[in-house]
Amino acid sequence: GENVEQHPSTLSVQEGDSAVIKCTYSDSASNYFPWYKQELGKRPQLIIDIRSNVGEKKDQRIAVTLNKTAKHFSLHITETQPEDSAVYFCAARRTGANNLFFGTGTRLTVIP
Amino acid sequence: GAGVSQTPSNKVTEKGKYVELRCDPISGHTALYWYRQSLGQGPEFLIYFQGTGAADDSGLPNDRFFAVRPEGSVSTLKIQRTERGDSAVYLCASSPQTGTGELFFGEGSRLTVL
Repeated sequence: GENVEQHPSTLSVQEGDSAVIKCTYSDSASNYFPWYKQELGKRPQLIIDIRSNVGEKKDQRIAVTLNKTAKHFSLHITETQPEDSAVYFCAARRTGANNLFFGTGTRLTVIP
Repeated sequence: GAGVSQTPSNKVTEKGKYVELRCDPISGHTALYWYRQSLGQGPEFLIYFQGTGAADDSGLPNDRFFAVRPEGSVSTLKIQRTERGDSAVYLCASSPQTGTGELFFGEGSRLTVL
């Protein structure tokens, strides 16, 4: 099955700085890579996703990059704000499959 | 409803007891998923329904775990003879159709087995 590894497990940045979270996956048949944000005690919510036919996708202050050859993808958050503080999970899904495999999460703290 | 609804939000039980956790997906969503999230970990897949049938139950850890979705909407996750290791947050998610994108999660049922 798919194995998704995520780094770092915790990340602290000053407000206004950038944050980068990295994930690797093992199954070359994976073609869909979403990122979910989970605030304390809340449900995970999709913030951005990318499919394997593109290398980068942006949505305002967040962006995701994908390197299929190296089997890794990254989340970039620019101009961080305190409300960006949360746990972020990457995930991967194989072509034709229904199940998402999640990473272990990164706890991001933005220091005002 | 507006989102995925899960009940109870918290459940405390004793080792060996039977537990049912309920999920009410977003209306019209045909795909329904159960995940388990232990402290400090990502969600771990348990089972997936497309309509009324369990299309993939490969994530269920053992035969103490079972889930149903008899009318293709509400689903119940059933855990028999609970063990302390079953303590976790059980997340339900739904999506409009299979394999197309975003999962919409509920806020989870926190199960504590004493």
